[in-house]
Amino acid sequence: SAVISQKPSRDICQRGTSLTIQCQVDSQVTMMFWYRQQPGQSLTLIATANQGSEATYESGFVIDKFPISRPNLTFSTLTVSNMSPEDSSIYLCSAFIGGSYEQYFGPGTRLTVT
Amino acid sequence: GQSLEQPSEVTAVEGAIVQINCTYQTSGFYGLSWYQQHDGGAPTFLSYNALDGLEETGRFSSFLSRSDSYGYLLLQELQMKDSASYFCAVSSNTGKLIFGQGTTLQVKP
Repeated sequence: SAVISQKPSRDICQRGTSLTIQCQVDSQVTMMFWYRQQPGQSLTLIATANQGSEATYESGFVIDKFPISRPNLTFSTLTVSNMSPEDSSIYLCSAFIGGSYEQYFGPGTRLTVT
Repeated sequence: GQSLEQPSEVTAVEGAIVQINCTYQTSGFYGLSWYQQHDGGAPTFLSYNALDGLEETGRFSSFLSRSDSYGYLLLQELQMKDSASYFCAVSSNTGKLIFGQGTTLQVKP
């Protein structure tokens, strides 16, 4: 089965700083997705990252706050910029792999902002 | 826009059958998926329905009625390990998955 890894698995950051989360897929994929999940809540889509073009952001999320890179077909990064305690959440990346309907998720990055 | 509704919590006993309903409103609907998420874990795929009817995979089945914008996940022979959150999610022609709020299933002995 497909594997998606994320780094770091968790971090504690001070407000005002930025954190970059890396996501690696073990096969080439067209689209990668970034979600945010508060404990006990649903997954909220932040943006869709396509290789070779700018990411597409969902309502309420902007590039200045969540810049995304997609340098190739297996890798993406999400940066959480100028963090505040409200950014404390779990951030997950995901992708559809092999043309299936199944979306695979990374293990998530647990971010705490103090 | 898109919206999905599912119950927030369901409780059942081991060996029982439970049904988790999901109603949705979306444009460009392609299909309805179900995901399971245990505490501290990542969501994992359970099923996908693009056409009306029932899809069966072991103890889990999923149903879709496109005309009613409605689907459900049926879990049979419940086991303690089935205690988890279950999310319905709609996929559209944009390729994105939009998730419902999730249903927490508690299985009791």
